[in-house]
Amino acid sequence: GQQVMQIPQYQHVQEGEDFTTYCNSSTTLSNIQWYKQRPGGHPVFLIQLVKSGEVKKQKRLTFQFGEAKKNSSLHITATQTTDVGTYFCAGSLGGGGNKLTFGTGTQLKVEL
Amino acid sequence: GAVVSQHPSWVICKSGTSVKIECRSLDFQATTMFWYRQFPKQSLMLMATSNEGSKATYEQGVEKDKFLINHASLTLSTLTVTSAHPEDSSFYICSARDPGSNEQFFGPGTRLTVL
Repeated sequence: GQQVMQIPQYQHVQEGEDFTTYCNSSTTLSNIQWYKQRPGGHPVFLIQLVKSGEVKKQKRLTFQFGEAKKNSSLHITATQTTDVGTYFCAGSLGGGGNKLTFGTGTQLKVEL
Repeated sequence: GAVVSQHPSWVICKSGTSVKIECRSLDFQATTMFWYRQFPKQSLMLMATSNEGSKATYEQGVEKDKFLINHASLTLSTLTVTSAHPEDSSFYICSARDPGSNEQFFGPGTRLTVL
């Protein structure tokens, strides 16, 4: 079945440092979504990428979708303590159900 | 954005009992809802796709007779964990797909602890 892997599994950074998480799918995706989950909370939608090679920015966050639509990345510039949480990518093969396969997640810790 | 609620937010039950979890889309009609399970420090695993007015589609390895799903209306899906055991203790999260935007909105989750 479809697998979506993320690296790294954990990342500790000092506040102000940059952070990147990479997402790789075993199959070509229709679209990819990114979510953030704070400790004890539920996933919160960040963004959806649909087009091959697409790049989207949200303030300090930059999202990329690979040319082959099998990989994606999330880059955070100058991390802040509010960025703490686990970041998940979730891939969809499309179709009427729009079923999502979540990646393994990257847990980010930001230290002062 | 759209709002999805879940009830209860947490539940503790004895082994062998059944627990029902409700998922509601509050400001849109969701023909499709999804149920996920998340164990500590792990990712979300899709359990089943709930379609209004028809049988749910279960993922491989998920027992349909143990995890009963009912999607009786366009705003409500329920997940019943039957004869719960300690290994069923987990964080259960639903999501609802807004057919207009195709975006999925997640509920706040239900933390189930089976003693």
